[in-house]
Amino acid sequence: DVKVTQSSRYLVKRTGEKVFLECVQDMDHENMFWYRQDPGLGLRLIYFSYDVKMKEKGDIPEGYSVSREKKERFSLILESASTNQTSMYLCATYPYSYRVSGANVLTFGAGSRLTVL
Amino acid sequence: SQQGEEDPQALSIQEGENATMNCSYKTSINNLQWYRQNSGRGLVHLILIRSNEREKHSGRLRVTLDTSKKSSSLLITASRAADTASYFCASTFQKLVFGTGTRLLVSP
Repeated sequence: DVKVTQSSRYLVKRTGEKVFLECVQDMDHENMFWYRQDPGLGLRLIYFSYDVKMKEKGDIPEGYSVSREKKERFSLILESASTNQTSMYLCATYPYSYRVSGANVLTFGAGSRLTVL
Repeated sequence: SQQGEEDPQALSIQEGENATMNCSYKTSINNLQWYRQNSGRGLVHLILIRSNEREKHSGRLRVTLDTSKKSSSLLITASRAADTASYFCASTFQKLVFGTGTRLLVSP
């Protein structure tokens, strides 16, 4: 089974702090995604990466950056956390072959719930 | 917004009853997927239906797709307390666009 591990389940940070959310997958998937989930808004895509050192903006990239130095690790960075970034953050992956087949089924991590005070 | 919408937002039923959730989306699609999320956890993929399919079954799940109406429905038959979760549709063209979700509560 693919495992997608998010290093922190719960974080509490202060406004202005730099925050790192780490995601590691163990199945050699090329595509990795960061979503943000808020009540009533569903999941919104922040950034995604389809290869090492490659990244593309999603629908709500403002206030976030990402890093993909190794294939298995995709980090989400909040340069200066703000209270409106309090949310559930979900990492997800799928392999290149899924894109080719048209069945881009995501495997999600358990999520990281971030509270910014 | 590109977000899809799901209806109802919340659904409360008794064990053994059927649960039906509806999803509407806004663009052409290659496929539509349904995911389940237990409280405070990540999403788990349930079923995928391609744009050229009209109905698909998987165990107690039945999904229908009407591309002319840009809508899909998920039916869970003979529901169980363990089915209590939030359910999300995700329409796919060049990327996945998630709906806002339906919270299902199944009482014993």
